[in-house]
Amino acid sequence: GESVGLHLPTLSVQEGDNSIINCAYSNSASDYFIWYKQESGKGPQFIIDIRSNMDKRQGQRVTVLLNKTVKHLSLQIAATQPGDSAVYFCAENMGYGNKLVFGAGTILRVKS
Amino acid sequence: DGGITQSPKYLFRKEGQNVTLSCEQNLNHDAMYWYRQDPGQGLRLIYYSQIVNDFQKGDIAEGYSVSREKKESFPLTVTSAQKNPTAFYLCASSIIFAGNQPQHFGDGTRLSIL
Repeated sequence: GESVGLHLPTLSVQEGDNSIINCAYSNSASDYFIWYKQESGKGPQFIIDIRSNMDKRQGQRVTVLLNKTVKHLSLQIAATQPGDSAVYFCAENMGYGNKLVFGAGTILRVKS
Repeated sequence: DGGITQSPKYLFRKEGQNVTLSCEQNLNHDAMYWYRQDPGQGLRLIYYSQIVNDFQKGDIAEGYSVSREKKESFPLTVTSAQKNPTAFYLCASSIIFAGNQPQHFGDGTRLSIL
């Protein structure tokens, strides 16, 4: 499949371990953040979102943490599975309508 | 199932040729978007449409054109003026063009130059 991950940082984890993927965002005025998962040759898939009035949000096997002080976002995946292997990237809404700014992404590789 | 359909999956363009990428959604979303993805880079916004018969340029609109004649359709034309069109093109939609609305994506069209 097509590669969208050339020269991206890579995180390798053992199956069953927890994964933490980090994202530094650029604008202190950003008020909404989204994590996406992209598999090779496919479009980005929504994972979880968080608004700036929260610092933590949990989904199924995923948790997003927001630290506005240092403009940092993280995605935690519990009990990582081979199907979690993909490129993960964050997006921020800088406050104009629904225009998003996307990070380049992190490759997650799960070793069985 | 509701979703966003992009076609074709692969497209080849000859020098001097315009090509059109299709994007259709049956999610009843008002807002639609076109992005370009290059290896190792974040998605970049080409055009967006808040509502039918309306569209605005994004960050890299030069060499591209769009139309929004129907709510469910937002085709993108890559013109001969776009000198480096080889990329993965992604269409997205959201319920409305307002903050706190996730964008949902199709599976993309890969455009290459012959």
